[in-house]
Amino acid sequence: NAGVTQTPKFQVLKTGQSMTLQCAQDMNHEYMSWYRQDPGMGLRLIHYSVGAGITDQGEVPNGYNVSRSTTEDFPLRLLSAAPSQTSVYFCASNTKGRAYGYTFGSGTRLTVV
Amino acid sequence: GESVGLHLPTLSVQEGDNSIINCAYSNSASDYFIWYKQESGKGPQFIIDIRSNMDKRQGQRVTVLLNKTVKHLSLQIAATQPGDSAVYFCAESFTGNQFYFGTGTSLTVIP
Repeated sequence: NAGVTQTPKFQVLKTGQSMTLQCAQDMNHEYMSWYRQDPGMGLRLIHYSVGAGITDQGEVPNGYNVSRSTTEDFPLRLLSAAPSQTSVYFCASNTKGRAYGYTFGSGTRLTVV
Repeated sequence: GESVGLHLPTLSVQEGDNSIINCAYSNSASDYFIWYKQESGKGPQFIIDIRSNMDKRQGQRVTVLLNKTVKHLSLQIAATQPGDSAVYFCAESFTGNQFYFGTGTSLTVIP
């Protein structure tokens, strides 16, 4: 049981480049979300999905797109990378019932130069 | 977003002592709270949770206390071990599946 798998673990982008951060879970969780973690600011919600075909914006959605074509996968796309998007990105999933909170992936450390 | 803050950004304790990590939350409607542990280079991991109809919950070596009157949450770790060194986050939830996280407290255990 792999849980939540994120790839890549590290990435360096140049300003203006685009890329996709991958996230997959094998727990059949309905709810998936993307957070970014910056020093001194905790975890901030970017986008989330309550099920396949349904996505919504979180606290800091600008510059990011998501899609949820399957229950398992929830990729995060950076359209045109900016230095302000340098951060550690976490994907998380949980069941509808909220219990036990999220299962987090191990994170993607992104640097935009 | 909701404001979930921590009183102390860093905490150092001697191995074997008890640790107390505090958290203040701002939304009185929050009804479910979780403490997470994040080790270096890893994602946060669930430690213990508590619902608003309780004021105390115990796990293995950990206890969470909830004071709704002052909107305060604390995590107590008994007999702190080197493996407890990590960043600890509290998170609150009041609707749906969304959680709001505090900034974290870094716990260092001194051998």
